[in-house]
Amino acid sequence: SQKIEQNSEALNIQEGKTATLTCNYTNYSPAYLQWYRQDPGRGPVFLLLIRENEKEKRKERLKVTFDTTLKQSLFHITASQPADSATYLCALAEYNFNKFYFGSGTKLNVKP
Amino acid sequence: SAVISQKPSRDICQRGTSLTIQCQVDSQVTMMFWYRQQPGQSLTLIATANQGSEATYESGFVIDKFPISRPNLTFSTLTVSNMSPEDSSIYLCSVSQGAGDTQYFGPGTRLTVL
Repeated sequence: SQKIEQNSEALNIQEGKTATLTCNYTNYSPAYLQWYRQDPGRGPVFLLLIRENEKEKRKERLKVTFDTTLKQSLFHITASQPADSATYLCALAEYNFNKFYFGSGTKLNVKP
Repeated sequence: SAVISQKPSRDICQRGTSLTIQCQVDSQVTMMFWYRQQPGQSLTLIATANQGSEATYESGFVIDKFPISRPNLTFSTLTVSNMSPEDSSIYLCSVSQGAGDTQYFGPGTRLTVL
């Protein structure tokens, strides 16, 4: 069956450290993978998109990697801040399908 | 970017009734989607709303339970029919211009069924 798996346990880190979140998938051939941030009571907010032929994408303090051999994406937040505390979701879409499927999300807690 | 509004923002409904949720976008968009997010869970895609034709439903979701309309490129409705407590969830509308494009989400509609 198809699965998109993210760590269900919250990730607790100290302010200033790098947070690394994992997204693993099974039985998908994604063309695109996206990362979103979701705060309580709000809809997800788009952060980054990476294509299957891209190894890495950066935006300010954010970095995403995409390894189609390992079937994994890593999401990094460098110099983390308490304001980065939220749930982070990965989502993927396959070729010729104009829709994304979401992982369960990982809650990040950045402590001052 | 796209700005999306949803109505109502929340509602409490009785078992057996129906609720229609509206999604309005401030610009024309190619794709509109409806998701459900149950407490503490991730987003589950219900259907793709197709302009001028029947929606495309995901496995486990049927038109009789979740009828969807999309009369134009900026508006869609989702009806939750014959509600039961299991339908209590947040319902989210999202839009994009196609595969590989950013998805923008509405603020969601929080539904409680008693």
